[in-house]
Amino acid sequence: AQSVSQHNHHVILSEAASLELGCNYSYGGTVNLFWYVQYPGQHLQLLLKYFSGDPLVKGIKGFEAEFIKSKFSFNLRKPSVQWSDTAEYFCAVNARRDDKIIFGKGTRLHILP
Amino acid sequence: DVKVTQSSRYLVKRTGEKVFLECVQDMDHENMFWYRQDPGLGLRLIYFSYDVKMKEKGDIPEGYSVSREKKERFSLILESASTNQTSMYLCASSLMANTDTQYFGPGTRLTVL
Repeated sequence: AQSVSQHNHHVILSEAASLELGCNYSYGGTVNLFWYVQYPGQHLQLLLKYFSGDPLVKGIKGFEAEFIKSKFSFNLRKPSVQWSDTAEYFCAVNARRDDKIIFGKGTRLHILP
Repeated sequence: DVKVTQSSRYLVKRTGEKVFLECVQDMDHENMFWYRQDPGLGLRLIYFSYDVKMKEKGDIPEGYSVSREKKERFSLILESASTNQTSMYLCASSLMANTDTQYFGPGTRLTVL
């Protein structure tokens, strides 16, 4: 069965620090990969996604993620975070032969002003 | 913009009551989903539907049922609410396939006393 692991449950950073949130999945076949974000009081929304092609994917608000197939990873990065990036971030994976998307348990990011 | 609406933001029910959570999307999406979101557990899929009157069990269907009589509406039913069903319930929809971007509603925070 597929599973998704997010390494950090809580991350606290100061503004302008660099960010990397880890995500690993367990499935050997072809996958689709997603990062979703939930800002305080707002809907869960898509940050970026990877289906095929360039493994470095750029999303909204300066975020990017790199798919490394050999490591089963899809880490989220941002070179310089802002206070407005405070949110909960979810990695999600779909095995293309399956119907479902499996979400990780989430990482709460808190940015200090 | 895709809009997914849920009938209530907050709901308080008593143990044993029958509970209906309604979700409506306005973009003619084929696929609709119900998740529950709990701290430290992320999003867990309860049920999903890929067409009118079609439904598939997710990872935690026990204690829940669903109804999809019209394409735009997907209802989650708790036949006899229990305290362990106290949670945030999220509805989502997607356009073409289960692997497409999912658009989420604002959530219903259900408390069962």
